[in-house]
Amino acid sequence: GAVVSQHPSRVICKSGTSVKIECRSLDFQATTMFWYRQFPKQSLMLMATSNEGSKATYEQGVEKDKFLINHASLTLSTLTVTSAHPEDSSFYICSASGGIEQYFGPGTRLTVT
Amino acid sequence: DAKTTQPPSMDCAEGRAANLPCNHSTISGNEYVYWYRQIHSQGPQYIIHGLKNNETNEMASLIITEDRKSSTLILPHATLRDTAVYYCIVRVGNTNAGKSTFGDGTTLTVKP
Repeated sequence: GAVVSQHPSRVICKSGTSVKIECRSLDFQATTMFWYRQFPKQSLMLMATSNEGSKATYEQGVEKDKFLINHASLTLSTLTVTSAHPEDSSFYICSASGGIEQYFGPGTRLTVT
Repeated sequence: DAKTTQPPSMDCAEGRAANLPCNHSTISGNEYVYWYRQIHSQGPQYIIHGLKNNETNEMASLIITEDRKSSTLILPHATLRDTAVYYCIVRVGNTNAGKSTFGDGTTLTVKP
């Protein structure tokens, strides 16, 4: 299957700082990328959908000003968690789709202290 | 996107076939059935997908009922490394609309 990478794989930051997570599709062009969040022992929760060159669509309850998403190219999307707080600590997973198929990145473990 | 229903957990003996069921009774005509699995602390791994015909690849087989209201993922010879949470998802097979909504999945435990 296609490869989707995320960077960093894990990050620890202090409360109040911002953290940027990158998601790249390595061998295909992803016209749509998705961002998910997963808390321990829970399923993946979709946060937002982004299409290249346009604004992201956020799911209900997800603050767009706190979770900034940029999908500037067909191979790169970024998620910035602004003014992070301990409750934002989670496993963030991106996904990329170039059509019918959808592939997931390995995830980024964010810990906010 | 249509909701899916899966049993919360299943056990399977190593070397035997694992059959994981999924109900998706409200699936629409343009929605595909996808299966992913997630091993602890990793991103979901794509397994297989289908629209209405049965599908097979090197990992698994997907059997979709004629009315498309349910499907079964078959791992023909389960190994210990197949222990994971398996998610059945239905989504429109189109880039702009095809977001995947995850349910709770089935935790498959393969036992020696």
